[in-house]
Amino acid sequence: ETGVTQTPRHLVMGMTNKKSLKCEQHLGHNAMYWYKQSAKKPLELMFVYSLEERVENNSVPSRFSPECPNSSHLFLHLHTLQPEDSALYLCASSQELGGRGNQPQHFGDGTRLSIL
Amino acid sequence: QQPVQSPQAVILREGEDAVINCSSSKALYSVHWYRQKHGEAPVFLMILLKGGEQKGHEKISASFNEKKQQSSLYLTASQLSYSGTYFCGTAGGTSYGKLTFGQGTILTVHP
Repeated sequence: ETGVTQTPRHLVMGMTNKKSLKCEQHLGHNAMYWYKQSAKKPLELMFVYSLEERVENNSVPSRFSPECPNSSHLFLHLHTLQPEDSALYLCASSQELGGRGNQPQHFGDGTRLSIL
Repeated sequence: QQPVQSPQAVILREGEDAVINCSSSKALYSVHWYRQKHGEAPVFLMILLKGGEQKGHEKISASFNEKKQQSSLYLTASQLSYSGTYFCGTAGGTSYGKLTFGQGTILTVHP
């Protein structure tokens, strides 16, 4: 139990489907993050939210659309994905956004996404 | 630009020591260390801040050489539970929540 819950754990979808990934944190944190973890590549930051406001979009294609309705929930809406988008998508949270990376991040177990 | 970790993989016997290094070409203000086991979430180990002290937790400790923009993670008297992939994440002076991660070091501890 990490305090950050992601659903679903596994998702298989076609390129024309629309689906959403959900993240919920039970830690009372104010900042939330989406990361992409591909095989043999470093963790890639996708989006950062602080107090429900997006503060970072790390050059992510528009087929990925994040939503943060409150500080406990974060969604990643997926539409018209490509095979190269198959990866593990990790959600994380931290107490505050933190200047100069001074806040530890707590990760969920991730959603394993496969694009057919 | 991502930090570079070395070695890429380490194989140990229980009780042996290991050092994992993380180097950056950019000025750093903090270095994070995380461990991820297969199929599980990355788990936070420690943060080292510029101007801060060397950190330690039981038999795992780390240092941060600000001049060289390097950090090292020290695992002493390794246990089977130490197996996993270790990642460093770094932040520069203008980073707010934005960590750049290394490619990971796979550590395997055998009985």
